[in-house]
Amino acid sequence: GAVVSQHPSWVICKSGTSVKIECRSLDFQATTMFWYRQFPKQSLMLMATSNEGSKATYEQGVEKDKFLINHASLTLSTLTVTSAHPEDSSFYICSARDDGFGYTFGSGTRLTVV
Amino acid sequence: AQSVAQPEDQVNVAEGNPLTVKCTYSVSGNPYLFWYVQYPNRGLQFLLKYITGDNLVKGSYGFEAEFNKSQTSFHLKKPSALVSDSALYFCAVRDIPTGANNLFFGTGTRLTVIP
Repeated sequence: GAVVSQHPSWVICKSGTSVKIECRSLDFQATTMFWYRQFPKQSLMLMATSNEGSKATYEQGVEKDKFLINHASLTLSTLTVTSAHPEDSSFYICSARDDGFGYTFGSGTRLTVV
Repeated sequence: AQSVAQPEDQVNVAEGNPLTVKCTYSVSGNPYLFWYVQYPNRGLQFLLKYITGDNLVKGSYGFEAEFNKSQTSFHLKKPSALVSDSALYFCAVRDIPTGANNLFFGTGTRLTVIP
């Protein structure tokens, strides 16, 4: 079945630095990928929709200059958290639409900003 | 606008008993419906989906769900719960008529299977 690989699984960074999270579709081409953020004991909140070869579409309230998304190929989307602060600490999950009307999720990235 | 309701934050069931995790939805037309399971610090694992056709959908790990259009429900069920089923379960919908490309999630239900 469709597999989405997300790296890193966890990362700790200092406040003010930037962190890049990668999301790869391993056995299918994903023209559209999604980035979600999950707060403790809460549901997934869609941050942005990443489209291959074009600009990402951000949800209302999500700072596009802070959460940079690049979808340069059909198998790779990246989320860069720029100038991270402790309030950016969260669990970030990517997802890709597969070719069977389904959505496959990465294993998530736990970001801790200290 | 679409919405998904999971009315129970927590469901407890004894091992071996049947389990039900409830989900109701609101969309503008015919929905695509999904169930996912999440284990601690992990991404979401796909269980099953309803796109069209038979209202009873069978999925992974012995789970099934029934699409009920009149009640706008898509409850997740399993005849005999296992301790290993303990996890966080999310119902999700894609509202096709709106052209939305993404899934919209419910708030999740934590299932605890008691040995």
